[in-house]
Amino acid sequence: AQTVTQSQPEMSVQEAETVTLSCTYDTSENNYYLFWYKQPPSRQMILVIRQEAYKQQNATENRFSVNFQKAAKSFSLKISDSQLGDTAMYFCAFTPNTNAGKSTFGDGTTLTVKP
Amino acid sequence: DARVTQTPRHKVTEMGQEVTMRCQPILGHNTVFWYRQTMMQGLELLAYFRNRAPLDDSGMPKDRFSAEMPDATLATLKIQPSEPRDSAVYFCASGQLAGLSYNEQFFGPGTRLTVL
Repeated sequence: AQTVTQSQPEMSVQEAETVTLSCTYDTSENNYYLFWYKQPPSRQMILVIRQEAYKQQNATENRFSVNFQKAAKSFSLKISDSQLGDTAMYFCAFTPNTNAGKSTFGDGTTLTVKP
Repeated sequence: DARVTQTPRHKVTEMGQEVTMRCQPILGHNTVFWYRQTMMQGLELLAYFRNRAPLDDSGMPKDRFSAEMPDATLATLKIQPSEPRDSAVYFCASGQLAGLSYNEQFFGPGTRLTVL
């Protein structure tokens, strides 16, 4: 069974600063996908960024980037130039590349961006 | 703009009543998930379907919960009888698994259930 750990229940950052959210996972799978989802106060879950485990290059989406360390089973999210709209709970998720496709989510990190 | 829809968005009911939540997945997606989110337990997977067939419902209390997909455009989650501990936000999500590759899950807006 897979586990996903987000060790930071809460974090805060000043507007325009950079913040990194950590995520580690445990699996015996070799092929899988990793995701970061954002859940703002509206509760809508939104995909932020996706990483395929077979790709060595770290994924980037505008101000969001990841640091994927496969050997260390680490998948951190970096938010650059933080904006007030980034205030949300962030979930790290693991999905094995098997026919089951069942995802495991971490407990989430609540990020507050301060003006 | 394709999206997952869920009804109702809010439901307040009394203990012992039946609750039915509905989900319309994104057209063409072959996988549907039901999650429950609470402060204490976080995001829990209750059940999921592939091509309308149930693949895993091990996260669901079998005595009171049931999940079905009567057709490709509708998934239902039913609680009978409901209890106060079922109070939570219930999310439906859909995705497309083709072969061994997997895309993101698209989440609905959730149903906030309060059982008094």
